[in-house]
Amino acid sequence: DAGVTQSPTHLIKTRGQQVTLRCSPKSGHDTVSWYQQALGQGPQFIFQYYEEEERQRGNFPDRFSGHQFPNYSSELNVNALLLGDSALYLCASSFARGGPQHFGDGTRLSIL
Amino acid sequence: GENVEQHPSTLSVQEGDSAVIKCTYSDSASNYFPWYKQELGKGPQLIIDIRSNVGEKKDQRIAVTLNKTAKHFSLHITETQPEDSAVYFCAASMSPKTSGSRLTFGEGTQLTVNP
Repeated sequence: DAGVTQSPTHLIKTRGQQVTLRCSPKSGHDTVSWYQQALGQGPQFIFQYYEEEERQRGNFPDRFSGHQFPNYSSELNVNALLLGDSALYLCASSFARGGPQHFGDGTRLSIL
Repeated sequence: GENVEQHPSTLSVQEGDSAVIKCTYSDSASNYFPWYKQELGKGPQLIIDIRSNVGEKKDQRIAVTLNKTAKHFSLHITETQPEDSAVYFCAASMSPKTSGSRLTFGEGTQLTVNP
């Protein structure tokens, strides 16, 4: 039973560029949440997708956008990258009816 | 919005001793409190969780207690082992049936178990 998988594992971009991160949820899960984890801090909620729609959003600018596909996988897009966007981006999946969120190992994004 | 505070930020214990990590939350509507363990280069791994209708939950060497009145909850690890060394995060959320399941995390505790 595969857990949450994320790709790529590492990514280096420069300021102003755009990036797309991908996530496949744990088998059977229908809800995907994205978190940003800066070095030495706890994860911060970006947004959550269910039924291909954004259901909740944290305090992040609209440079951060997402998408969920019919197979429940998801993408996180960040435009006009800033140095402060350097972080570990975590995807978590769960059941919409309830239950714990399970995390992937994240994508380490570095902005030069 | 919800705010979660976690203490201590670092904790060093001898192998076999107990470790306690404490968290407080601000929103009385929160009713689900998971704990995650994060090892270097990995994502957070759920180790135990508790709902607000329960005061204590145990799983082998790990236990969590919840005081709804005081709005705080704690993680207890007994008989610590070197492999328990990691960063531990507490989190809080409201029931997904009411307002979604976004997690608000504490800042983390670096636990070091010395052999």
